[in-house]
Amino acid sequence: QKEVEQDPGPLSVPEGAIVSLNCTYSNSAFQYFMWYRQYSRKGPELLMYTYSSGNKEDGRFTAQVDKSSKYISLFIRDSQPSDSATYLCAMRLGGSQGNLIFGKGTKLSVKP
Amino acid sequence: GAVVSQHPSRVICKSGTSVKIECRSLDFQATTMFWYRQFPKQSLMLMATSNEGSKATYEQGVEKDKFLINHASLTLSTLTVTSAHPEDSSFYICSALKGPMNTGELFFGEGSRLTVL
Repeated sequence: QKEVEQDPGPLSVPEGAIVSLNCTYSNSAFQYFMWYRQYSRKGPELLMYTYSSGNKEDGRFTAQVDKSSKYISLFIRDSQPSDSATYLCAMRLGGSQGNLIFGKGTKLSVKP
Repeated sequence: GAVVSQHPSRVICKSGTSVKIECRSLDFQATTMFWYRQFPKQSLMLMATSNEGSKATYEQGVEKDKFLINHASLTLSTLTVTSAHPEDSSFYICSALKGPMNTGELFFGEGSRLTVL
């Protein structure tokens, strides 16, 4: 079993829809959880950052971490065509940032 | 947010040649930078940790003699793919750490697509 599992999609939704993106993981020691957005042929950019369990909201984006289920989610409300990108979850233990483990990414397409 | 510039964005080379990719933090100093490789539809895989003024730390399975990393200043790290072969064709991405190791934020470059003929 891989450390981080993420459905690669692709996921296609109409503009305005609520999008739910998810990752599961196997290492219960992960403490830091992140979501990155990566446009085609570009580097990832950090969207959301959560420490331990709980919810975090930033504008149209909400990140949830359920450590008991080893499950994290990213919700996008009122999705826009500009949200079309690949979304990567990432997580790590405490300590070095170099130990960041990425999911494969889910490719999202928001149709106008 | 902070800016990390990566150059070149795309390079095509012949098998057996060497290619150098630069990663620059434009508006902050980065003691630590990271190099990743990303194959199509795969996740980013850490290749090495680049530390300013010292030798890079390579992940298991990454050949340090093939992927030379130099971090000569607080704003520049370079990755040189030596004697490149078609199987080295990939998307290489760097990131620079702004702030302390545990709590700082990573900023990623835009990536460099290497095609080896």
